[in-house]
Amino acid sequence: ETGVTQTPRHLVMGMTNKKSLKCEQHLGHNAMYWYKQSAKKPLELMFVYSLEERVENNSVPSRFSPECPNSSHLFLHLHTLQPEDSALYLCASSQDPRDTTNEKLFFGSGTQLSVL
Amino acid sequence: AQSVAQPEDQVNVAEGNPLTVKCTYSVSGNPYLFWYVQYPNRGLQFLLKYITGDNLVKGSYGFEAEFNKSQTSFHLKKPSALVSDSALYFCAVRDGYSSASKIIFGSGTRLSIRP
Repeated sequence: ETGVTQTPRHLVMGMTNKKSLKCEQHLGHNAMYWYKQSAKKPLELMFVYSLEERVENNSVPSRFSPECPNSSHLFLHLHTLQPEDSALYLCASSQDPRDTTNEKLFFGSGTQLSVL
Repeated sequence: AQSVAQPEDQVNVAEGNPLTVKCTYSVSGNPYLFWYVQYPNRGLQFLLKYITGDNLVKGSYGFEAEFNKSQTSFHLKKPSALVSDSALYFCAVRDGYSSASKIIFGSGTRLSIRP
């Protein structure tokens, strides 16, 4: 296990639903990330939180709303998604994103999201 | 702008043979380079990284990667493939000049090792 836990593992939702993805890390890290993984596409960085402050937002549509209540927990709130949002959503953490020489990401197993 | 390319969607190798998974990159400063592996139904796992120093970097599970500055490449290699090496491999790069830069991942290469 990597020390990063994501729930649920699978999620099916309609376009009008509201749901949330949860991520928890037990590594004492200071930074947490949301990535989107679609088949045969580069991993897309969505959001970065460092010390609970959002430091990166890659022009992600507002139907995705992140929340980081503390350094161990990260949520991704989903609302009125589109079918093209179907993908594997990965959470990751790292010790300190400012220390680029020691940077190493620890990933959760992901939430496989299907939007109908 | 930084970018990374993995030109092969899939690489097929017989067990016991050497394997190479290709990666080329583009950054404006010094490259920080990474390889990650993803096994089925799992998240990505760190394999190895190049920051500075020796061009040949050794990592987990017997993998190594060679940094070639003139060819802007960072190919992943293993002398003798195992069936258990079958997985999705991601190359990633970060522009080392800027602490504000982020890690950019490639699209992944699926490695299939046949018995």
